[in-house]
Amino acid sequence: EVQLLESGGGLVQPGGSLRLSCTASGFTFSSYAMSWVRQAPGKGLEWVSVFSNIGGSTYYADSVKGRFTISRDNSKNTLYLQMNSLRAEDTATYYCAKDLGGTPDIWGQGTMVTVSS
Amino acid sequence: DIVMTQTPLSLSVTPGQPASISCKSSQSLLHSNGKTYLYWFLQKPGQPPQLLIYEVSNRFSGVPDRFSGSGSGTDFTLKISRVEAEDVGVYYCMHSIQLPYTFGQGTKLEIK
Repeated sequence: EVQLLESGGGLVQPGGSLRLSCTASGFTFSSYAMSWVRQAPGKGLEWVSVFSNIGGSTYYADSVKGRFTISRDNSKNTLYLQMNSLRAEDTATYYCAKDLGGTPDIWGQGTMVTVSS
Repeated sequence: DIVMTQTPLSLSVTPGQPASISCKSSQSLLHSNGKTYLYWFLQKPGQPPQLLIYEVSNRFSGVPDRFSGSGSGTDFTLKISRVEAEDVGVYYCMHSIQLPYTFGQGTKLEIK
C-alpha cells in the first residue's frame, strides 16, 4: 500500500524556521516527482513546491520562493521542506504528495504549521 | 499564473440525483503533446484530497463510475450521475500544464 507520512509541524514564531518531513512507503520513491501542497485553515489548496525525480529540478510558488527549500533523500524514502522566515500567512496544513505525470495522485494526511507569536 | 474558476461554489443535492461542477481556466490546458492537464479532486471532511479524475476524463484507480469528467481547452465539467451520501466534501479542479500548478476555489457539495 502506498503511504505518505508527514511530520515536523508545530507552533513557531514569525521569522522562525521549521523542517517538514514526508516518509514514503509502498512505491519506488526515487522514480517519482514529489510535491508539497498547503491548505490554510478553512481555505482552498495551494501548490507550494515540487522536486522532480529527473535531474533534481525544483520549483516553488512565488509566495515561498527564497524562503522554502524542498529536498529529498532517496536512500531514506523521505521528502523534506525547510521553511525559513516564516510568516503568519504560512499557517496551514502541509501535505506531501506523490506526483503522477503532473498531478498529485497520492496524498499524506498532512502536518499542521502554525506561525504565531 | 493560470486562474481556475469553479462554479457553483456550493450545491445541495438530493441522494440519487445528478450533480455537475464547472471549471474554467484562463488559458488552454491542451499541451502540444496532445494531453490536457486538468484534474479533479475530492476532499472529504477531515481528510486529505483524493484524486478522482486525471487528464480531463480518466477515472483514477478505485473511483466509482458515477463520476465522469469532460471538456476541452478551457472549459471542463465534473459530473456525478447519482449522488450518494459519501460524496459530500469539497471538489477542486487543478491544472498542471505549467508551473505553478493552481487549483480552483473549490465547490462544496452537501446532501439535502
